[in-house]
Amino acid sequence: DQQVKQNSPSLSVQEGRISILNCDYTNSMFDYFLWYKKYPAEGPTFLISISSIKDKNEDGRFTVFLNKSAKHLSLHIVPSQPGDSAVYFCAATRFAGGTSYGKLTFGQGTILTVHP
Amino acid sequence: DTGVSQDPRHKITKRGQNVTFRCDPISEHNRLYWYRQTLGQGPEFLTYFQNEAQLEKSRLLSDRFSAERPKGSFSTLEIQRTEQGDSAMYLCASSSRDSFQETQYFGPGTRLLVL
Repeated sequence: DQQVKQNSPSLSVQEGRISILNCDYTNSMFDYFLWYKKYPAEGPTFLISISSIKDKNEDGRFTVFLNKSAKHLSLHIVPSQPGDSAVYFCAATRFAGGTSYGKLTFGQGTILTVHP
Repeated sequence: DTGVSQDPRHKITKRGQNVTFRCDPISEHNRLYWYRQTLGQGPEFLTYFQNEAQLEKSRLLSDRFSAERPKGSFSTLEIQRTEQGDSAMYLCASSSRDSFQETQYFGPGTRLLVL
């Protein structure tokens, strides 16, 4: 049962343009979402997160949008740079009354390639 | 702070052998997680500790897998009688429970190959 899905295995974008990575989830109990970036032979690196009480969170070139009714989130990278080329994972978890349930459920990842 | 570290980074073993991996979390973090990642998939949760207590184990964690976190600091993950299906990247992450918005920080992983 894949509770978090990234339906695009890969995305290719020109440098300077916008990259949009998408993620869907099925478990309505999830209320906290994160994006990680992963280079080969390294562990995932945290990028940005969003709580279900918000619909948008921005950090520099990275913006995450959350549509709770559609159970959909997206990561926008503007402008895209060649160094952004990596695998991007979305992940979801659950908080209840400020207590984290701990484990992250990840999507399958999207390979982003930014061409110079 | 040097972040989460894992040792070894790579391990090649023969089927049936036992292996042990170590994870050193970020020093002030009281939660420690183990995940496993296979090719083309996202990391899958295995188990996690809050301080020295193991709070949850995934169904993925068969009886051949055991994890410990003595004294609530570093953690070890042992796989007994390894099988070829155990070949994967084993990732460790740590976080602090004190904040509402908990972020897990990952180590570089241990890549296991079972021949």
